[in-house]
Amino acid sequence: DTGVSQDPRHKITKRGQNVTFRCDPISEHNRLYWYRQTLGQGPEFLTYFQNEAQLEKSRLLSDRFSAERPKGSFSTLEIQRTEQGDSAMYLCASSRRLAGGPFNEQFFGPGTRLTVL
Amino acid sequence: DAKTTQPNSMESNEEEPVHLPCNHSTISGTDYIHWYRQLPSQGPEYVIHGLTSNVNNRMASLAIAEDRKSSTLILHRATLRDAAVYYCILRPMNTNAGKSTFGDGTTLTVKP
Repeated sequence: DTGVSQDPRHKITKRGQNVTFRCDPISEHNRLYWYRQTLGQGPEFLTYFQNEAQLEKSRLLSDRFSAERPKGSFSTLEIQRTEQGDSAMYLCASSRRLAGGPFNEQFFGPGTRLTVL
Repeated sequence: DAKTTQPNSMESNEEEPVHLPCNHSTISGTDYIHWYRQLPSQGPEYVIHGLTSNVNNRMASLAIAEDRKSSTLILHRATLRDAAVYYCILRPMNTNAGKSTFGDGTTLTVKP
């Protein structure tokens, strides 16, 4: 297993277009997270899944954003009608829930850098 | 979420120890202290975590104050590859806890 992978690594789009990103977590990791990171700031939480269930969404996740994890494996993040303010690095992470213990280290992917022109 | 405060930047010389501080005065009794770092052009990576006792692993040591309101990440001998942004994060004990709340971290510069 080579870790969390994300595709594409870079995306340039025009304002108003829709974009979709894919994240493949580490196999057997039942938790998957999406974060957004702008230059000079730490990652901001967007949403997370446990298996197929989307358990939490940030208020940052406007109704132009939708995330899915249909089979509890890979996930997609779609942004509709992109705006210039959506330009950022979109990071995916995965972790394994440990029964009876709190520690669930998150493994991050390399991110997808989105530029909206 | 309980908040953490870190200096914006720190500098170190190569081969010297580095002490990266973090204040978390509103930490609750059920919060673990986690440290992640982000190398240039990469996603964050886990460094270490602890609850009350000091912790050591192959990457670093974590010293936690007795009142748990602050902690220090210690890199024993900084290398150029340790230049990164270091984030101190609090994560609750509850296994249902999902997100990590990152601050802006400390940018560590290592000089040769």
